[in-house]
Amino acid sequence: DGGITQSPKYLFRKEGQNVTLSCEQNLNHDAMYWYRQDPGQGLRLIYYSQIVNDFQKGDIAEGYSVSREKKESFPLTVTSAQKNPTAFYLCASSIPGPTEAFFGQGTRLTVV
Amino acid sequence: GEDVEQSLFLSVREGDSSVINCTYTDSSSTYLYWYKQEPGAGLQLLTYIFSNMDMKQDQRLTVLLNKKDKHLSLRIADTQTGDSAIYFCAADNAGNMLTFGGGTRLMVKP
Repeated sequence: DGGITQSPKYLFRKEGQNVTLSCEQNLNHDAMYWYRQDPGQGLRLIYYSQIVNDFQKGDIAEGYSVSREKKESFPLTVTSAQKNPTAFYLCASSIPGPTEAFFGQGTRLTVV
Repeated sequence: GEDVEQSLFLSVREGDSSVINCTYTDSSSTYLYWYKQEPGAGLQLLTYIFSNMDMKQDQRLTVLLNKKDKHLSLRIADTQTGDSAIYFCAADNAGNMLTFGGGTRLMVKP
């Protein structure tokens, strides 16, 4: 079945560590996105990529990094520079243009 | 940039209709979307409306768009406990990016 998969579902990070969240899709979508969701708040765009080997900063890119070496994969690294990383992270993919975005099930990151 | 606003919370009784409202600021938005998020999960597209339409009906869902006022609403008829979730309004904007509202938490009481 086609879909978008995020892993892990839950992730714990010690202060000062970098962690990488995985996002893989087999929908053959060109565009992929990372959003952050905080309790009671909407989705804020971290990074997006409209094509392989290219990505752009979203509204809250500081403290995060991404890569897009393959069409299927768009991993997000939360670096130690991100001061408040505890949140629910959602990955999405779509065909570029006004169309439905498909979301993964999310990764909940907690700093311990 | 685009701003999308929603009320935070709505509580209804099972069997009643729910109406979730949304306002947006970018009049050039071409498509407007409603997504549903269940606890601990990603977002699922419920429905969408093209900006040259006033209304779209899909089974129990009715979307109304007032383009002049930049107001979008989602009506759920015969609301069930399984409809309890967070509902996000989203608008596309320049560059075909989606801007999401803050989400409306719908609670359905039996």
